[in-house]
Amino acid sequence: GAVVSQHPSRVICKSGTSVKIECRSLDFQATTMFWYRQFPKKSLMLMATSNEGSKATYEQGVEKDKFLINHASLTLSTLTVTSAHPEDSSFYICSARDPGQGDTEAFFGQGTRLTVV
Amino acid sequence: GQNIDQPTEMTATEGAIVQINCTYQTSGFNGLFWYQQHAGEAPTFLSYNVLDGLEEKGRFSSFLSRSKGYSYLLLKELQMKDSASYLCAPMDSNYQLIWGAGTKLIIKP
Repeated sequence: GAVVSQHPSRVICKSGTSVKIECRSLDFQATTMFWYRQFPKKSLMLMATSNEGSKATYEQGVEKDKFLINHASLTLSTLTVTSAHPEDSSFYICSARDPGQGDTEAFFGQGTRLTVV
Repeated sequence: GQNIDQPTEMTATEGAIVQINCTYQTSGFNGLFWYQQHAGEAPTFLSYNVLDGLEEKGRFSSFLSRSKGYSYLLLKELQMKDSASYLCAPMDSNYQLIWGAGTKLIIKP
C-alpha cells in the first residue's frame, strides 16, 4: 500500500509557542490530505481537509487561525498549531488517499503526540 | 444525521473467534472500511466492502449489508496482538470517512 509519513511522532512544547507537524506522501501524489485529532478513547475527529494549491476546508468548530494548514505540494501538507495551550495536547493524525489505488482507502501517517506544558 | 454504532468494548479468549458488529447511518454510501488501531498509534487498514457479502482476508473477514446499514468484522484464531481498537468507518456521498469511537477488543490468554 501507499506510504504516508508524519513527523514528528512526539513533541513537547511550551504554552504560547507554535508547533509544525508535517505529513508526506512518499510514493504517490496526494491532492487531498486530511488532518484528524483524537482524544484518548475517542473517535477520530476530522479537523480539516487540505487541498493542494488552495485553502484548506475546516470542519465546524475548528479555528483556522489556530490550526494553520498549508498544502504547498502534491506530497506535503503541514499543520501548525499556533500559540499552543495545554488543551491543544492531543494525538494528531494525517491521512491521504492514493488516486492510483482507487482513491478510496485512507493511508495514515504515524500520528503526532503533542503535549503542551 | 450520520451515526456509527459499535460496542464499546469486547473481551475474547486467545484462539477463539470474535465478531464485532457495526450499524451505520450516512448521507449516501461509498463503501465501508474497517481499521485496527493499537493504543498510541495511527489506524491501519483491515478491509473495505462496497458490495453486499463477505470478504475474507486471512484471519479477518468483513461482511456488509447495505440495505440494513450493517457490517461486521470477524476475527478468527485470535492472538494476543489482536488486542486493539477496531474502527468501523463508512464513507458518505462526499467520500468522507465517518468515524465512530471504535470497539476496544481485549484478548485474554
